[in-house]
Amino acid sequence: DTGVSQDPRHKITKRGQNVTFRCDPISEHNRLYWYRQTLGQGPEFLTYFQNEAQLEKSRLLSDRFSAERPKGSFSTLEIQRTEQGDSAMYLCASSLLLRDGSSYEQYFGPGTRLTVT
Amino acid sequence: EDKVVQSPLSLVVHEGDTVTLNCSYEVTNFRSLLWYKQEKKAPTFLFMLTSSGIEKKSGRLSSILDKKELFSILNITATQTGDSAIYLCALTQGGSEKLVFGKGTKLTVNP
Repeated sequence: DTGVSQDPRHKITKRGQNVTFRCDPISEHNRLYWYRQTLGQGPEFLTYFQNEAQLEKSRLLSDRFSAERPKGSFSTLEIQRTEQGDSAMYLCASSLLLRDGSSYEQYFGPGTRLTVT
Repeated sequence: EDKVVQSPLSLVVHEGDTVTLNCSYEVTNFRSLLWYKQEKKAPTFLFMLTSSGIEKKSGRLSSILDKKELFSILNITATQTGDSAIYLCALTQGGSEKLVFGKGTKLTVNP
């Protein structure tokens, strides 16, 4: 399968615990995005990387959230001291930026559903 | 504040019906509008629109953008039960790579 993959698909954790999610983008894609989606809402942007550089972060991304893409391939999203309000679907997407500056559409992974009890 | 408003939020039709989904927006420095279909999990890409008045078509689905009136429509003809999904409208703006999504329209197609 050459699509975007995410791991784990489901995570249940207790309030106060730390969690880490992984995203593997489509192999040739140099841009990687994280979004969060709650029930009845569209996805909300969290952050994005171009290669290994984190170029944009949402104000939604509190200091408990951190994302990395150390080698410009896979990315991790860590949430420290989880709260019940963090319960959501965390979606990863990737896209290809061409040399001329044009960019193709974002392709999404299946998501990681986080439940904080 | 940037806004993407989709209507209706929910729609129930019978197989064979034609549906029109709406997306209106207020955003600074508009660059493109995208439509995605979301079934149980990942949104899947349908169309990207950047120019007014040019219809994009894929099988029974088509979409068009009106940059003067700030809206787009997604049409689905001869609906099938497999079209049941949430249809998401999203925008991109100059200077940012993020997608700004609406809440989506939940379409249910009954046999």
